[in-house]
Amino acid sequence: DPKIIQKPKYLVAVTGSEKILICEQYLGHNAMYWYRQSAKKPLEFMFSYSYQKLMDNQTASSRFQPQSSKKNHLDLQITALKPDDSATYFCASSPTGISNERLFFGHGTKLSVL
Amino acid sequence: GDSVTQTEGQVALSEEDFLTIHCNYSASGYPALFWYVQYPGEGPQFLFRASRDKEKGSSRGFEATYDKGTTSFHLRKASVQESDSAVYYCALGETNSGTYQRFGTGTKLQVVP
Repeated sequence: DPKIIQKPKYLVAVTGSEKILICEQYLGHNAMYWYRQSAKKPLEFMFSYSYQKLMDNQTASSRFQPQSSKKNHLDLQITALKPDDSATYFCASSPTGISNERLFFGHGTKLSVL
Repeated sequence: GDSVTQTEGQVALSEEDFLTIHCNYSASGYPALFWYVQYPGEGPQFLFRASRDKEKGSSRGFEATYDKGTTSFHLRKASVQESDSAVYYCALGETNSGTYQRFGTGTKLQVVP
């Protein structure tokens, strides 16, 4: 059984629209992350949350907003979508959020912006 | 800031060949170093980690030794199999904020029978 569930697996959007990527983890971890993978920048860190608080944000654009409604949820809202946002978005988790812990990744959401 | 460099974008080997994938890093202090493997359609999976100089990490026949002198953490395997074909990522635990890992650009390994 997958311990980190990302929905949907594939997502097609039109330029200018808004989408929400869902992530739930069932590992009992307190830290969650978003990474983006594209041909241009493989596995680029976006956000880290620990105990539902934002720890780090390396995303330049405010169009990307993480949302943590529950301890084991970290959704990613993307507004005003652009073709350059096309990528696979991976959610990850770790026990407490310190950088020497192994990360557990979901299978990703592949976003295509037309 | 911290950085991770993987020099090989792609590596092609035959089964039973020896594998080396190079990873060099730049960081202050002693960052934790990691190797992850990614198969098509999946997220990266943790292989192993090392946290201090001369520590060896290993898993599934793969190994790497933390070398602070040469700032390296090269991945090696004595005899690769076709099932090892995947993308391999070197990563380090970011030392400035200490809250996330920074990944290298990845090395695609293709092993032919």
